[in-house]
Amino acid sequence: QSVLTQPPSVSGAPGQRVTISCTGSSSNIGAGYDVHWYQQLPGTAPKLLIHAYSNRPSGVPDRFSGSKSGTSASLAITGLQAEDEAIYYCQSYDSSLNASVVFGGGTRLTVL
Amino acid sequence: VQLVESGGGLVQPGGSLRLSCAASGFTFSDHYMDWVRQAPGKGLEWVSVIYSGGSTYYADSVKGRFAISRDNSKNTLNLQMNSLRVEDTAVYYCAREAMDGSYDYWGQGTLVTVSS
Repeated sequence: QSVLTQPPSVSGAPGQRVTISCTGSSSNIGAGYDVHWYQQLPGTAPKLLIHAYSNRPSGVPDRFSGSKSGTSASLAITGLQAEDEAIYYCQSYDSSLNASVVFGGGTRLTVL
Repeated sequence: VQLVESGGGLVQPGGSLRLSCAASGFTFSDHYMDWVRQAPGKGLEWVSVIYSGGSTYYADSVKGRFAISRDNSKNTLNLQMNSLRVEDTAVYYCAREAMDGSYDYWGQGTLVTVSS
């Protein structure tokens, strides 16, 4: 059971918009710790997609965006493309766990 | 920036293994460095961090068994894993930590299999 809760799967057709939620608590997201998002393509290492809630590293398309509300964060992907099919993870810190790093359980995105 | 892990392999329960991560393309000594692992078919799990000043922290699941270290003169990150358990089986990634706590660069990973 992950400290950060993500839906196991989401899906959408090409061109559509999907969102992936990351639900935490008052000891992590609600405490103000930054949330980061990663994309993991099959058989590869994770890649940083969004850092500090809504910032995109150089090279990440603006189709990807992040936001926060209360004790949750969200990743939105617009204009879905087949190459977006991957597993997405959120990451933050948790003060109840000796300020250790915590990840969500991951969400598998299927492009229909 | 490049991170290249090595040292993975098959080891029996109770055994030891030492992983290394060779870093290049950036000032290694300036950055916190972490190990993150991923069990087969599972999600990501943080393992350990070493600060640029040498302070170390561990996940409860590996505390007392694993030891992280760094050699800034050789741009190398290490993870000494002792008393290995079947549940330590995973791909181990080294990752560079950015100022905001995100992992902006990852290695390709090295597979550790603990089995008799």
